[in-house]
Amino acid sequence: EAQVTQNPRYLITVTGKKLTVTCSQNMNHEYMSWYRQDPGLGLRQIYYSMNVEVTDKGDVPEGYKVSRKEKRNFPLILESPSPNQTSLYFCASRERRGNGYTFGSGTRLTVV
Amino acid sequence: AQSVSQHNHHVILSEAASLELGCNYSYGGTVNLFWYVQYPGQHLQLLLKYFSGDPLVKGIKGFEAEFIKSKFSFNLRKPSVQWSDTAEYFCAVNNNDMRFGAGTRLTVKP
Repeated sequence: EAQVTQNPRYLITVTGKKLTVTCSQNMNHEYMSWYRQDPGLGLRQIYYSMNVEVTDKGDVPEGYKVSRKEKRNFPLILESPSPNQTSLYFCASRERRGNGYTFGSGTRLTVV
Repeated sequence: AQSVSQHNHHVILSEAASLELGCNYSYGGTVNLFWYVQYPGQHLQLLLKYFSGDPLVKGIKGFEAEFIKSKFSFNLRKPSVQWSDTAEYFCAVNNNDMRFGAGTRLTVKP
């Protein structure tokens, strides 16, 4: 089944403790992206990647890192999480620039 | 600044009522336009998309959208909503990369 898989689905952590949210797609898509969803703000793009080793900042990149060492994986790294990063995170992938994204099931992160 | 605006934050309708959700964007040049739906507790799913050609686009579940270039709009419509259409709806515009509106929450009363 073609899909984008994120893990974990739920995560509660403490301020300052480094964490990684994994994302993997099995569709051989070029583009991958991370969004955060907050009430009233819709989805805001954190980082995106156009291909292996090519990443760029979205609208809200501060406090996040990404890497794209392989085409299928695009992990999101929070080196020192803070409470304002409590949010619902979605990973997404698409075949090429003009196509729509396929979304993962989301990761609900709470930073206390 | 480039932006996507959804005018309605929350829309409440009774079953069988007609629906129109507004979406305006401020990008110049060629854009691809999308509507996504997010059912409670789920991820976003693509409803429909516009790339080029006929500005009236038909999607899944009876939804359609009309691209009006002169108004920079891409409004979503459905002639008769059902209770199962209760969800949040997001308009998105693809220029350099995809940007989303803030979303419109639709509640359909049985």
